[in-house]
Amino acid sequence: AQSVTQLDSQVPVFEEAPVELRCNYSSSVSVYLFWYVQYPNQGLQLLLKYLSGSTLVKGINGFEAEFNKSQTSFHLRKPSVHISDTAEYFCAVQPQGGSEKLVFGKGTKLTVNP
Amino acid sequence: GAGVSQTPSNKVTEKGKYVELRCDPISGHTALYWYRQSLGQGPEFLIYFQGTGAADDSGLPNDRFFAVRPEGSVSTLKIQRTERGDSAVYLCASSPTAGANVLTFGAGSRLTVL
Repeated sequence: AQSVTQLDSQVPVFEEAPVELRCNYSSSVSVYLFWYVQYPNQGLQLLLKYLSGSTLVKGINGFEAEFNKSQTSFHLRKPSVHISDTAEYFCAVQPQGGSEKLVFGKGTKLTVNP
Repeated sequence: GAGVSQTPSNKVTEKGKYVELRCDPISGHTALYWYRQSLGQGPEFLIYFQGTGAADDSGLPNDRFFAVRPEGSVSTLKIQRTERGDSAVYLCASSPTAGANVLTFGAGSRLTVL
């Protein structure tokens, strides 16, 4: 079975500051890794994903994440946030080998203040 | 359609009643997923369809929950004898095919059981 831990339930930052949202996972098999964003009253939207290859992945809206297998982490970063980045961010894993099931963390609410 | 459409967006019902939630996936998407998001939690997998058949229903919590996709497009999630603990946002997602690792989510159906 898989589990995902998002260490911070809420992260307040000021506009133009850098941000890191932390994600750790546990799995007995290799996994694919994802970050989704949920804006108010909207569906989840894929930010980025790691399937294989380079451990640094770049996504939409200037976000990037780095897969660290030894630390079982997949932290999300952005060097300079905007007010419009205010949203809830979810980390998710999917076991490799045919399963279609995504296992999500509880989410991190990012609030960008002026 | 342009995106995944879910109806109703909000449903309030009384304990013990029967509820149906509908999902219209993106045209041509063969894979369809249902997730449930309770307050303060990340989405939890319920069931996944490839075409008309339920390929994985391991996330359905009990036999009060049932889902169908008779023509391989629209799907209906059915909940019998609703309980207060069923209150949540029910999310539907679709993908061009299984294994594509790209889910497009709808905005969800918020179910409140009084």
